[in-house]
Amino acid sequence: EIVLTQSPGTLSLSPGERATLSCRASQSVSSSYSAWYQLKPGQAPRLLIYGASSRATGIPDRFSGSGSGTDFTLTISRLEPEDFAVYYCQHYGSSPPGLTFGGGTRVEIK
Amino acid sequence: QVQLQESGPGLVKPSATLSLTCAVSGASISSNNWWSWVRQPPGKGLEWIGEISHIGNTNYNPSLKSRVTMSVDTSKNHFSLTLTSVTAADTAVYYCARAYAILGIYYFDYWGQGTLVTVSS
Repeated sequence: EIVLTQSPGTLSLSPGERATLSCRASQSVSSSYSAWYQLKPGQAPRLLIYGASSRATGIPDRFSGSGSGTDFTLTISRLEPEDFAVYYCQHYGSSPPGLTFGGGTRVEIK
Repeated sequence: QVQLQESGPGLVKPSATLSLTCAVSGASISSNNWWSWVRQPPGKGLEWIGEISHIGNTNYNPSLKSRVTMSVDTSKNHFSLTLTSVTAADTAVYYCARAYAILGIYYFDYWGQGTLVTVSS
């Protein structure tokens, strides 16, 4: 079973700053099956990035994803007030089939 | 516009069975996608429960497999989750989601708003 470890647990930043979120897999995984989501209280999760680096429809270009193998990164180039939320990485394994989420990174206002 | 909406009891007694349904609109549940359930216990992260295809193939989280059953009703364009022998640890917001799983890519592109299920006597 693949374990995804996100770091840091909490990121305290000011609007306009750059946020770098890490997701490390316990073994090498396919980038195609990796994604990032944003979750705010009372709202449905929102897909940000799929295939490790492709932005979902309607996602601002300040959000970018990168990585391969065991290390993946979500970068928010300049934080906007609406970006303060919890972010989760996800990976789907095909053998055996199953999906794992990371533990999440909270991006909070400093 | 694709929309998913969860429905079911908000309160379930310990040792009872939790049953939820996800109604899909704006898309056919018979399309080439997988349909999933994800939950978030209070103060914790997201946990994948499992998925079902339009023809009823299923994959479940190994930690819940012995208690989970998913089904799909193409005539009603909805899919369902049952979780047996619930405990307080099953208290969570339950989300349904559509998985885009084509051409070697997998991600959840549409989600329901979530429904809080509390396990308590």
